[in-house]
Amino acid sequence: QQQVKQSPQSLIVQKGGISIINCAYENTAFDYFPWYQQFPGKGPALLIAIRPDVSEKKEGRFTISFNKSAKQFSLHIMDSQPGDSATYFCAALVLGTYKYIFGTGTRLKVLA
Amino acid sequence: SQTIHQWPATLVQPVGSPLSLECTVEGTSNPNLYWYRQAAGRGLQLLFYSVGIGQISSEVPQNLSASRPQDRQFILSSKKLLLSDSGFYLCAWSWKYPQGTQYFGPGTRLLVL
Repeated sequence: QQQVKQSPQSLIVQKGGISIINCAYENTAFDYFPWYQQFPGKGPALLIAIRPDVSEKKEGRFTISFNKSAKQFSLHIMDSQPGDSATYFCAALVLGTYKYIFGTGTRLKVLA
Repeated sequence: SQTIHQWPATLVQPVGSPLSLECTVEGTSNPNLYWYRQAAGRGLQLLFYSVGIGQISSEVPQNLSASRPQDRQFILSSKKLLLSDSGFYLCAWSWKYPQGTQYFGPGTRLLVL
């Protein structure tokens, strides 16, 4: 069964700290790895994404690290701010399909 | 630019009643379309996806169905709602080429009583 395992389930970080969320997959046939940010009552919005031929991608305070051999990818939020408090989902696109598998989500709270 | 609409935003329905949720996309043609359900505090469960008019793939057997009568219109239906159908329903679209990001709508919160 195709799965993406996400951890931790919840995370509390002080303002200015680094938030790290991890995802791991078991099926090698994934092609694209986006991260989404979701605020309560809203639809998820794309934050940053990476393809498996790249080991790291940075956009502002957000960085994805991708380890193909370990089948793991992670989101780092530098200088975390209270406005970053939201639920974050990792996802993976099944190679050769239009189907996405989502992680179970991480609820991040950044303390002021 | 592309925009995705969902309505209604909120819906309260009695058990056993029918359901129709609508999703439309503007600013693109021939998109892939998706329906997800999100239970409170949980992840996204893919229900259906469509690569073209009349082409529906079902991911989870249940009392829901989906239809795509027009290129940019995706409808989620049920003949008889169950309590377990309560949740946050999200529509999303993506380009076919290149394959990549999904863009989500604002969602419909459904409460079945």
